[in-house]
Amino acid sequence: KAGVTQTPRYLIKTRGQQVTLSCSPISGHRSVSWYQQTPGQGLQFLFEYFSETQRNKGNFPGRFSGRQFSNSRSEMNVSTLELGDSALYLCASSLGDMNTEAFFGQGTRLTVV
Amino acid sequence: DQQVKQNSPSLSVQEGRISILNCDYTNSMFDYFLWYKKYPAEGPTFLISISSIKDKNEDGRFTVFLNKSAKHLSLHIVPSQPGDSAVYFCAARTMNDYKLSFGAGTTVTVRA
Repeated sequence: KAGVTQTPRYLIKTRGQQVTLSCSPISGHRSVSWYQQTPGQGLQFLFEYFSETQRNKGNFPGRFSGRQFSNSRSEMNVSTLELGDSALYLCASSLGDMNTEAFFGQGTRLTVV
Repeated sequence: DQQVKQNSPSLSVQEGRISILNCDYTNSMFDYFLWYKKYPAEGPTFLISISSIKDKNEDGRFTVFLNKSAKHLSLHIVPSQPGDSAVYFCAARTMNDYKLSFGAGTTVTVRA
């Protein structure tokens, strides 16, 4: 059974640009969550999608957005990139029911220069 | 506001001995807790979880204990192996919320 796949693995962007990250969940999983990991802040929740609907949102500015497609694949977009957006972006998939585990992808390392 | 806290940033243990990782939380609404292990340049790997209706859950070498009155949980790894050297994250979730709140992590080093 394939795991959670995130593309690309590494990305370098310039301040002011925008970026789109992709996540393919485990087959059968309908929930996809996104997290940002930075050395100073640890793992911070961005948002969660279930059946193409955003179910939950963290405390990030509107420059961070996402969507989910009918096949459960999800994309995350960050517009007007800032240096502070440099981080490891992790995607997690789960069945979407309560008390089920979330399984993470390997992440996308975004560097903003 | 850090609702999940791992106060020990690092832990060093000898191979074969027990590793005990601690986690405290402040939100009394948390009712599901998970432990993840993370190697550098990889995503977190799920280890073990526990629901608030239990006080202990065991899976092989890993046991998680939950003390709801103290808002404290711990992960025991017995015996510790070199491959256990990684960063361990504690995470928690409320009943009506699908987001995970993570602790800052504890780096475990298993010495041969």
